[in-house]
Amino acid sequence: QLQLVQSGAEVKKPGASVKVSCKASGYTFTSYYMHWVRLAPGQGLEWMGTINPSTGTTSYAEKIQGRVTLTRDTSTSTVYMELSSLKSEDTAVYYCGREGNGYDFYFFDNWGQGTLVTVSS
Amino acid sequence: QSALTQPPSASGSPGQSVTISCTGTTSDVGGYNYISWYQQHPGKAPKLVIYEVTKRPSGVPDRFSGSKSGNTATLTVSGLQAEDDADYYCCSYAGINTYVFGTGTKVTVL
Repeated sequence: QLQLVQSGAEVKKPGASVKVSCKASGYTFTSYYMHWVRLAPGQGLEWMGTINPSTGTTSYAEKIQGRVTLTRDTSTSTVYMELSSLKSEDTAVYYCGREGNGYDFYFFDNWGQGTLVTVSS
Repeated sequence: QSALTQPPSASGSPGQSVTISCTGTTSDVGGYNYISWYQQHPGKAPKLVIYEVTKRPSGVPDRFSGSKSGNTATLTVSGLQAEDDADYYCCSYAGINTYVFGTGTKVTVL
């Protein structure tokens, strides 16, 4: 069955970087865009960016462009989200989400379990 | 991109209906019929309840319905049930492979 399994919680200091993984299984990895979304305490969902696992092409939200990098490893069906120059405001649960259901697109149909990233000195 | 505007809260008694609005611009909500809605319970991943403005994924009750007029999309939850008590977010495609979420609405089942 389709699964997205994310790496475990992280605690980082301000200014550091964090890299979160999302391992996909149960479907053809290269056929579906993967997105990253975060939920900060007391805030709403925020779309961060997307990667085409087939080509590696990426697109990012303006707000965090320059600090976020999405990559993929097709040999392990894993997508990575790296966020640099961390600030306290980056404390959030980070989710990966697969786009579409194979027939329709432009929505997020399956999600990882979430990864808590805490930024604290 | 600015977040889409949703009311912070909505409530209703079991069996009643609630309606949640989601207002954007011609660059997002008004420009595309790629509006989706997500339900999120505390500590859980979001769950898709509506996509392409009006379509319901398999397994989502027909109590959930969506619509759009101009720059505003709407989610209606009819026949409220206790398990509908959650946060709801709209999301719109915003062009050039980017997306924007709404500010979120806390639905309380009284």
